[in-house]
Formats: sequence, structure tokens, C-alpha cells
Amino acid sequence: GESVGLHLPTLSVQEGDNSIINCAYSNSASDYFIWYKQESGKGPQFIIDIRSNMDKRQGQRVTVLLNKTVKHLSLQIAATQPGDSAVYFCAEKGGSYIPTFGRGTSLIVHP
Amino acid sequence: GAVVSQHPSRVICKSGTSVKIECRSLDFQATTMFWYRQFPKQSLMLMATSNEGSKATYEQGVEKDKFLINHASLTLSTLTVTSAHPEDSSFYICSASYRGSYNEQFFGPGTRLTVL
Repeated sequence: GESVGLHLPTLSVQEGDNSIINCAYSNSASDYFIWYKQESGKGPQFIIDIRSNMDKRQGQRVTVLLNKTVKHLSLQIAATQPGDSAVYFCAEKGGSYIPTFGRGTSLIVHP
Repeated sequence: GAVVSQHPSRVICKSGTSVKIECRSLDFQATTMFWYRQFPKQSLMLMATSNEGSKATYEQGVEKDKFLINHASLTLSTLTVTSAHPEDSSFYICSASYRGSYNEQFFGPGTRLTVL
């Protein structure tokens, strides 16, 4: 079946570096994408979203890039901080109002 | 705004007992609530979707008689794990959306269930 997947299960970075977390999706009908942050023992927290009619969206220290040609989504975190350490999930919606979650990437920020 | 709470945050029970987990929307009326299950180091797996006042829609492979969902009001949904067994031990997360928040789900903090 169609699914959303992530390339890297774990990403380790130094504090202050920029982080890039990638996500591949296979449902070409997906028209809305969301990035969530999940800290250990907590529920997912919305970070940023993007619609399929856009290729870039910026928030505070975060940027989401969407490449529909290769069905690729990325989350860029600028000046990564120890508090950014968490698991990051991408999710996509296509037709259904229920998002499909990707596998997740664990981001580890070293002070 | 758009805060969702869960109770309890963690529960330990003996095998064979039933456990009820509550999910509440604190400052909005949740027309739809979702229940997820998450195993360690894995993604969220949708178990069921419930709309207020109607029966829940379960995902394929989720036993509806095992996981009873009741969405009795616009601010409360409950998940009851009946006759729990150790393999039911997991992190259960609810989320909620309201009419007009098509693209937004608000997640609860999760409930850690451990069945001995």
C-alpha cells in the first residue's frame, strides 16, 4: 500500500548546527503535509504544515520544503538546540481527513 | 487554546483486568476524536476514529470488542482496554479535531499502559 517513510531513523547534530530531517511519501494524491515533534513520553506536537500548492514554508527556526516531483518532504531546523531533541514525524493527508504518519526520525542534539 | 488532556498518564494493571482511558478536549468541542497506539521507537498507529454520538470506526486489524470506544459528549472520549494482556502494553494517544479544523488535530499527552 501507499505509505509515508523516512530516510534516516537517527540524526545526531551538534548544538548550533542546522538539522535537516527528510521524509519520502508515495501517495501522489496527498495534498497536505505536517511535521510533528514528539518528546519522550509525550504526545505529538504540531510544528509546521504545508499544502501541496506550495514548495516552501517558514516558521520560527523551522522550514519545510516540499518537492512534489520526487515526492519528498524535509524539515530544516536552524541553530538546533538541545531542546529540539525528540522524534520527528512527517504526516500526509490525501483525500481522507486522517493523516498517515511516517516512521519517525530521532534527532539527538549534542551540547 | 485547543488543549487535549488524557487521564491517567500511566497505569499498571494485572492481566485480565479492564482499563479505561479518558480523553478530554478542554477548551473546544471535539466533533471527532482519534485513538492511536504507539510501540517503543515506532510510529503512531491509528486504532479508531470516533464522532460524537455515533459508533467508532475501527481500523483494519483492531478488535472493536477488545478496545471499546465511547464518544459520549463533545468533550470526552474513552478507550477501554478489556481483559488486558501484556501484549496490550503500549502508549495510547488520543487526538481531537473540531468542525472547521479539517487539517488540524490536537494531541493529548498520551497514556502509558503496562499490563503485568
